Amino acid sequence: DTEVTQTPKHLVMGMTNKKSLKCEQHMGHRAMYWYKQKAKKPPELMFVYSYEKLSINESVPSRFSPECPNSSLLNLHLHALQPEDSALYLCASSQESTGQGNYEQYFGPGTRLTVT
Amino acid sequence: DAKTTQPNSMESNEEEPVHLPCNHSTISGTDYIHWYRQLPSQGPEYVIHGLTSNVNNRMASLAIAEDRKSSTLILHRATLRDAAVYYCGLAGGTSYGKLTFGQGTILTVHP
Repeated sequence: DTEVTQTPKHLVMGMTNKKSLKCEQHMGHRAMYWYKQKAKKPPELMFVYSYEKLSINESVPSRFSPECPNSSLLNLHLHALQPEDSALYLCASSQESTGQGNYEQYFGPGTRLTVT
Repeated sequence: DAKTTQPNSMESNEEEPVHLPCNHSTISGTDYIHWYRQLPSQGPEYVIHGLTSNVNNRMASLAIAEDRKSSTLILHRATLRDAAVYYCGLAGGTSYGKLTFGQGTILTVHP
């Protein structure tokens, strides 16, 4: 099973709402990632978790709060977002992320987020 | 972070080979070259990656220049299902495993 699942598929939220995005993989991967993708642009890395610990935060605003409850699950908690945060949020996983680039990443289908 | 440069778009005919170029002139010695593709309304899909030697898998081939400043993704016989945005990216080395995508090439395949 090489599937990464993400819920929900679509999310519309107001600027005062709190919501969460969920990601799950059952490939035994120890690294998980959050990316943000704006229309017609490449994905941009937000966070990397390695062995359930946050290893990279790409200077993401604190209104985005990641969480890795266990090695299979990754959450992204959203609070007080701005309209410019509207984007496709992608989750990915890989076998490892030990500072080497020799591991392919498996991406989920993404959550289409609209902030009103 | 080292960057990659790709053409905005390319076209091909079905059942013909496609060569997608990528320049990465500031690549470090430990950066891996990765290729992913993304179909509309889907997440990126891994295609292939390599370090120095040319690589082949069931989807494609990756040809890496001897100085590693450029690479080419080769689809041996394009099909309509290969129409997608193809991203070349670098990972590892000075970027601590972070995968940084280029702007992508939109591949159109004509029947």
